[in-house]
Amino acid sequence: DAKTTQPPSMDCAEGRAANLPCNHSTISGNEYVYWYRQIHSQGPQYIIHGLKNNETNEMASLIITEDRKSSTLILPHATLRDTAVYYCIVRPMFSGGYNKLIFGAGTRLAVHP
Amino acid sequence: KAGVTQTPRYLIKTRGQQVTLSCSPISGHRSVSWYQQTPGQGLQFLFEYFSETQRNKGNFPGRFSGRQFSNSRSEMNVSTLELGDSALYLCASSADRGTTNEKLFFGSGTQLSVL
Repeated sequence: DAKTTQPPSMDCAEGRAANLPCNHSTISGNEYVYWYRQIHSQGPQYIIHGLKNNETNEMASLIITEDRKSSTLILPHATLRDTAVYYCIVRPMFSGGYNKLIFGAGTRLAVHP
Repeated sequence: KAGVTQTPRYLIKTRGQQVTLSCSPISGHRSVSWYQQTPGQGLQFLFEYFSETQRNKGNFPGRFSGRQFSNSRSEMNVSTLELGDSALYLCASSADRGTTNEKLFFGSGTQLSVL
């Protein structure tokens, strides 16, 4: 079973920030939070990941609460091309046998004009 | 750098047949994982190969098998196809240098339809 809980769907106006929440209350100290997204008919695409500090890259920002039980993915200026299913995943710190990702149902983000 | 390549993109088979799907990972990547995606079950992990050895396996029947070659290319095989095997099959590769921060890179998948 997935170790994360996400809302099934969200809407966002184009140009506005999209804030996608994720609950991972059972996360352990050696687990990262990863975000992937899947645009229709394509394979999932890596977005960002973090351990306990906030992270930012060219695609998004990741805010992790101090107790690490929840996080928020922020797309600062959503575009129509950001319409996708977003998956929040926890996985162990070290790979080596842990390239098994457990996907939940994700959040279906719809960006509208 | 070329991405993960999966062939064929679409495939139609009938019940009872077998099928082989192919995956070419990103150059230099040693880990290849396979996932099945259906509307009802979502994305589910099938198995992972690293240096030609299966090192992780999901909860699928023995009809699902795979292998990895010395050049890291991988194939998965499904024997005695059932209607429920209709799905998008995704392959993902990873450098897997044993460090943290490993990312998986996914191909576009093979859409299998079983009639």
